[in-house]
Amino acid sequence: EAGVAQSPRYKIIEKRQSVAFWCNPISGHATLYWYQQILGQGPKLLIQFQNNGVVDDSQLPKDRFSAERLKGVDSTLKIQPAKLEDSAVYLCASSFDRVGNNEKLFFGSGTQLSVL
Amino acid sequence: GNSVTQMEGPVTLSEEAFLTINCTYTATGYPSLFWYVQYPGEGLQLLLKATKADDKGSNKGFEATYRKETTSFHLEKGSVQVSDSAVYFCALSDNQGGKLIFGQGTELSVKP
Repeated sequence: EAGVAQSPRYKIIEKRQSVAFWCNPISGHATLYWYQQILGQGPKLLIQFQNNGVVDDSQLPKDRFSAERLKGVDSTLKIQPAKLEDSAVYLCASSFDRVGNNEKLFFGSGTQLSVL
Repeated sequence: GNSVTQMEGPVTLSEEAFLTINCTYTATGYPSLFWYVQYPGEGLQLLLKATKADDKGSNKGFEATYRKETTSFHLEKGSVQVSDSAVYFCALSDNQGGKLIFGQGTELSVKP
């Protein structure tokens, strides 16, 4: 089966510019996650969708980050304006249902963002 | 709140050496525990998991036991190979909200 697709693979922008990342989850997966992974740290959840509704966005910096999941399939994550500290790998993941006892999370390869 | 702490890396071992990567957690209730692995140039993938106390997860020669009394989930392998070189992440899920909380990762480098 096809995995979680993300694009672009790399992005370099200057601070105060805008950037958008795209994710296509595994077909049939209702739950979609965006994680931020700063170099040397573990992934940190930014936002979790269940179908096209937001379940958890408590750690999303809403003054500059936004995300949507139209029609409950693809998702985009946007940063506007970007700051130096946003340099990280942005990971998209999906699962059939919410991660719990028997649910498995599948990750994409990520988008590596460098803010100069 | 819930959190995961891993031993710092990098860990450098010779082929066929014994591996232990320590992981401890703080959580309310009864979380599920996971080890994820990230090979160079690849995405994170599930290595093994345990869903309740005293469960042992195992895969590809790796194993970890869910120890509630010590709040630990240490990763072990009896004989590592060069192909095991990767970054290993310990994680927990609270089984309610459905999100994973990760440790900071431990880089393993296995030399021939």
